[in-house]
Amino acid sequence: KQEVTQIPAALSVPEGENLVLNCSFTDSAIYNLQWFRQDPGKGLTSLLLIQSSQREQTSGRLNASLDKSSGRSTLYIAASQPGDSATYLCAVTTGGSTLGRLYFGRGTQLTVWP
Amino acid sequence: ETGVTQTPRHLVMGMTNKKSLKCEQHLGHNAMYWYKQSAKKPLELMFVYNFKEQTENNSVPSRFSPECPNSSHLFLHLHTLQPEDSALYLCASSQDITGILEAFFGQGTRLTVV
Repeated sequence: KQEVTQIPAALSVPEGENLVLNCSFTDSAIYNLQWFRQDPGKGLTSLLLIQSSQREQTSGRLNASLDKSSGRSTLYIAASQPGDSATYLCAVTTGGSTLGRLYFGRGTQLTVWP
Repeated sequence: ETGVTQTPRHLVMGMTNKKSLKCEQHLGHNAMYWYKQSAKKPLELMFVYNFKEQTENNSVPSRFSPECPNSSHLFLHLHTLQPEDSALYLCASSQDITGILEAFFGQGTRLTVV
């Protein structure tokens, strides 16, 4: 069974810092990996999608990398801002009998203070 | 806006009540999902529908009854729930269930069972 782990569970930093959030998964046979953002009590907003054949994706100040063979992904946030405060979730999809299912980590709760 | 709309946003119900959660997607997707997010736990898949047909039931108790009348709408009918069923229920959609393409989530329904 696929298991996804995110480290750290929580992170509190001053504005302007560059951040790295980590995600690891136990089964490297993934189709893709998605990073999501969740604000308190809200739904999930997709940030980046990395296909299994890709190494990284970038969107604005966000950069996500994928090392499929080692079962790891990192989300890099440049020049963090208070508006980046949220929980960041990593999820992977696999094939076989679990088509379409997203396996989620518990998330990293990020607080960026002014 | 993610293109996936859930109603109601908040719901309080007694253990003997019957209520329904609604999800609608305007993305032209063919796959729809229900996820449950409980405090301190990763998101858990509940049901998967592909072209209106249920393809996965993740051992969900029968007091949760899904319905998918067409590819754009998904319901979750609730009856005789327990207080431990209180959670954020999230609907998602994707183009298909291959797991290759991006998943989009609604804002969720915060359910409280009293």
